[in-house]
Amino acid sequence: GAGVSQSPSNKVTEKGKDVELRCDPISGHTALYWYRQSLGQGLEFLIYFQGNSAPDKSGLPSDRFSAERTGGSVSTLTIQRTQQEDSAVYLCASSNNPYNEQFFGPGTRLTVL
Amino acid sequence: AQTVTQSQPEMSVQEAETVTLSCTYDTSESDYYLFWYKQPPSRQMILVIRQEAYKQQNATENRFSVNFQKAAKSFSLKISDSQLGDAAMYFCASQGAQKLVFGQGTRLTINP
Repeated sequence: GAGVSQSPSNKVTEKGKDVELRCDPISGHTALYWYRQSLGQGLEFLIYFQGNSAPDKSGLPSDRFSAERTGGSVSTLTIQRTQQEDSAVYLCASSNNPYNEQFFGPGTRLTVL
Repeated sequence: AQTVTQSQPEMSVQEAETVTLSCTYDTSESDYYLFWYKQPPSRQMILVIRQEAYKQQNATENRFSVNFQKAAKSFSLKISDSQLGDAAMYFCASQGAQKLVFGQGTRLTINP
């Protein structure tokens, strides 16, 4: 079956603009995760969904970041009023069980000018 | 809280030789899992090997094996018969309460 997909692959935006990043998990996977990979901070957890609810959003760096998941499937990560420090690769992962292997998508590289 | 430390930012090895990547971790979870992920230039994170902390036996996957020392909180990865395709960033990670916590990564270079 298809793996985790993310779109867009690359996104360049201007400081102050809003961006939406999309993640399509593996069909049937109930758990979905967002991570951020940047040069200075390494790989950081952002948020975890179980179904459509987010029991752990402790990694969201500010209130400019939000995420939702609909139908227990697709998830969207929204960054409002982007800043240059938001430039990073945003990785999405899914799992059929919160304690099992997470399968990663190819990521979205966000560049804020 | 969980922390993962990889003390080797870069490693290199001759093709066909063996290399060991180091990882130490700290966790307050009683039940947890440890992973090694590989990230080639394509950015795709690929699971290399997984270890359940309650298992004493070290996990192996073909040329990849781990040395899991629970008391020392150490989880090293051994790659035998290194191949050019093994060149990548390698991340050690722990998983307790669902989320993965990653180390800073080790960039592995394979010399032909």
